[in-house]
Amino acid sequence: KAGVTQTPRYLIKTRGQQVTLSCSPISGHRSVSWYQQTPGQGLQFLFEYFSETQRNKGNFPGRFSGRQFSNSRSEMNVSTLELGDSALYLCASSLEGMGRSEAFFGQGTRLTVV
Amino acid sequence: SQQGEEDPQALSIQEGENATMNCSYKTSINNLQWYRQNSGRGLVHLILIRSNEREKHSGRLRVTLDTSKKSSSLLITASRAADTASYFCATFVDSSYKLIFGSGTRLLVRP
Repeated sequence: KAGVTQTPRYLIKTRGQQVTLSCSPISGHRSVSWYQQTPGQGLQFLFEYFSETQRNKGNFPGRFSGRQFSNSRSEMNVSTLELGDSALYLCASSLEGMGRSEAFFGQGTRLTVV
Repeated sequence: SQQGEEDPQALSIQEGENATMNCSYKTSINNLQWYRQNSGRGLVHLILIRSNEREKHSGRLRVTLDTSKKSSSLLITASRAADTASYFCATFVDSSYKLIFGSGTRLLVRP
């Protein structure tokens, strides 16, 4: 059974650019969650999608957005990148949603903004 | 904001010793989970304990939960060098559709 796949693994962008990160969940999982991890703030919740519906959103500016497709694959987009957006972005999939069923994480996308 | 605070922030032990990590949280929860992260990679689910449970075991792992004190502990017995990683507790409140992670404990197991 394939795990959670995040692409790309590494990304370097310039301030002001935008970026799109992709997450393919485990087959059959309908919930996808996104987290930002930085040394200073730790693991911060971004959003959660279930069957194409956003059920919860973290406390991030509107520059951070996401979506989920009918095949459960998810993308997150960050526009007008800032230096502080440099982080490891983690995606997790689960059957019913984090907390209710076991969550499986991808290896993450490490974004560096210069 | 983070719900959980973990203690200690870092722990260094000899192979074969036991490692204990503690987690405190602020609000009532449905369950608490522990995850492991190796060197900036993805997190791996270790164990889940529900709010009506007090203790749970999985292999060399033992987790306790004290809802009156809003705290949990993770014990790793007979540690191995391969246990070197960061360990995070995460709390779940029903209908929130998210886990709130603690700040983590960095464990170093010396061969």
